[in-house]
Amino acid sequence: AQSVTQLGSHVSVSEGALVLLRCNYSSSVPPYLFWYVQYPNQGLQLLLKYTSAATLVKGINGFEAEFKKSETSFHLTKPSAHMSDAAEYFCAVSEGGSYIPTFGRGTSLIVHP
Amino acid sequence: GAGVSQSPSNKVTEKGKDVELRCDPISGHTALYWYRQSLGQGLEFLIYFQGNSAPDKSGLPSDRFSAERTGGSVSTLTIQRTQQEDSAVYLCASSPRDLGGNQPQHFGDGTRLSIL
Repeated sequence: AQSVTQLGSHVSVSEGALVLLRCNYSSSVPPYLFWYVQYPNQGLQLLLKYTSAATLVKGINGFEAEFKKSETSFHLTKPSAHMSDAAEYFCAVSEGGSYIPTFGRGTSLIVHP
Repeated sequence: GAGVSQSPSNKVTEKGKDVELRCDPISGHTALYWYRQSLGQGLEFLIYFQGNSAPDKSGLPSDRFSAERTGGSVSTLTIQRTQQEDSAVYLCASSPRDLGGNQPQHFGDGTRLSIL
């Protein structure tokens, strides 16, 4: 069975600081992993995905995530936060053969000027 | 190209009334999903369609909820005899033919449902 844990329902950073949003997963088979971003009053948008190619995945808006099998983690990072990065971020996992991804509960990123 | 379109964007109705929420997926996407997002909560899976068939309805919270999809395209989520706890944002997503979980989902902006 697949599951996702996002540590921290809220993360607060200063503009220009490093962004680190944590995601740990559980999967009985090699997983597919996704990060989505949700801005207020909008649906989710794909930031990046891991599908067993390179372990370091680059996405849109300067975000990247690294797949670490030994730690069962897929943390999302960005070197320098912008005010426009303030949003809700969701990690999702999908096992091979599963048509329904499992989403984490989300992390709200707050960016202070 | 158009993305996933949901209508209405907002719906306010009285307790006990029936509501229909519509989703137009991206053309050619065979997989379609409905989720519910309550205030400050994550995504609650409701139902999944592959074509017109719904192989997984396990997330529908009660028999007041039903969904259908016609022509492999438009889907309608119906809530009968609405209750206040049904108030939430209902999100629809679609994806290309899924070969085993590696396709990302494309989401609409949701329908914000408020039950008075």
